[in-house]
Amino acid sequence: KQEVTQIPAALSVPEGENLVLNCSFTDSAIYNLQWFRQDPGKGLTSLLLIQSSQREQTSGRLNASLDKSSGRSTLYIAASQPGDSATYLCAALGGSEKLVFGKGTKLTVNP
Amino acid sequence: SQTIHQWPATLVQPVGSPLSLECTVEGTSNPNLYWYRQAAGRGLQLLFYSVGIGQISSEVPQNLSASRPQDRQFILSSKKLLLSDSGFYLCAWLFRGLPNSPLHFGNGTRLTVT
Repeated sequence: KQEVTQIPAALSVPEGENLVLNCSFTDSAIYNLQWFRQDPGKGLTSLLLIQSSQREQTSGRLNASLDKSSGRSTLYIAASQPGDSATYLCAALGGSEKLVFGKGTKLTVNP
Repeated sequence: SQTIHQWPATLVQPVGSPLSLECTVEGTSNPNLYWYRQAAGRGLQLLFYSVGIGQISSEVPQNLSASRPQDRQFILSSKKLLLSDSGFYLCAWLFRGLPNSPLHFGNGTRLTVT
């Protein structure tokens, strides 16, 4: 059974800082690893999707990496801004086409 | 383009009352559909998923049920709500047969059982 863990549970940084969010998964037999953003009281917005054959994906100031052999993914946010404050969730998609989520990292970027 | 609609946005129901939450997807056909629940302090829990009309898979035992009467309609129901059913319910869809496409979520329903 796939389990996804995110560390840290919460992170507070000053504006402008580069930061890394971590995600680990127990079963390396995945189709892809997805990163989402969730604002308070809202649904989830897809940020990046890394296919199992890929090592990383980039979108603007966001870069996500995937190491299947070690069961890890990281989300790198460059030059953080107060608008980046949200909860970030990672999720692993297995062969059953079911996404298993971590509990998220709550990010606060202080002006 | 594809859109997903979920309603109502918020709901307050007494214990023992019935529940019906609806989700519809526009702009695509034959999607995989999912119901997730997010309880306070906990991660997203997959409740049900469907790969076609009338095809429902349940992930956890509970007093909830799901139905898919039409290709792009997914309904979450309960005959009698429990306090523990409170939470944030999210509907999502995925292109069937294209697992390397992102999962798209609705805006969710905040359910409070009193």
